[in-house]
Amino acid sequence: QVQLQESGPGLVRPSETLSLTCTASDDSIANYDYYWGWVRQPPGMGLEWIGHVFYSGNTNYNPSLKSRVTISLDTSKNQFSLKLRSVTAADTAVYYCTGGGGWLTDHWGQGTPVTVSS
Amino acid sequence: EIVLTQSPATLSLSPGERATLSCGASQSVTKNYLGWYQQKPGLAPRLLIYDVSRRATGIPDRFSGSGSGTDFTLTISRLEPEDFAVYYCQQYAHSPLTFGGGTRVEIK
Repeated sequence: QVQLQESGPGLVRPSETLSLTCTASDDSIANYDYYWGWVRQPPGMGLEWIGHVFYSGNTNYNPSLKSRVTISLDTSKNQFSLKLRSVTAADTAVYYCTGGGGWLTDHWGQGTPVTVSS
Repeated sequence: EIVLTQSPATLSLSPGERATLSCGASQSVTKNYLGWYQQKPGLAPRLLIYDVSRRATGIPDRFSGSGSGTDFTLTISRLEPEDFAVYYCQQYAHSPLTFGGGTRVEIK
């Protein structure tokens, strides 16, 4: 079973770009019909789907974030990434990378907290 | 966007009791693409149930899911100490994928 691990800065300044990477434990990213994506959870709150990318490179984003989000794959490194532009304090959350067959999310990273603050 | 409403927000029960959690959708969830997750403090959510009623790998049979259309239920037949957590439903039939607000199952 593939393991996922998030990495990236824990602190981002307002108006800047949040950049996170998720590394898979094997070459599942290139070899399966999986969707790879991101979910976030603000402190003390529920889960919000950000978007996902298919192994072919096609993407699908939450309309609430679509204008600011890019999710991309780097199959040579068994990685996929999240970029969220023009962040505000409302983007402070734990960010989880996810994977699953079809749109089902059955693999989760451990999560990485990101704070937006000057 | 499909809005999922979970009830109750908090369920106070004792170990050994039966827990019944509800998830209502603002429109029909097609293909039975409805799942349930368990989340404990500081940890990532864990998939329990997918396609309304299929248990994920390693999930004990005290967890069961049912429902169709717009009304879904997660049942825990006999609560074990490790089952006290927050539970979320999610629909993955329509974009954007959406989660319910969660039900906290706490020890009475």
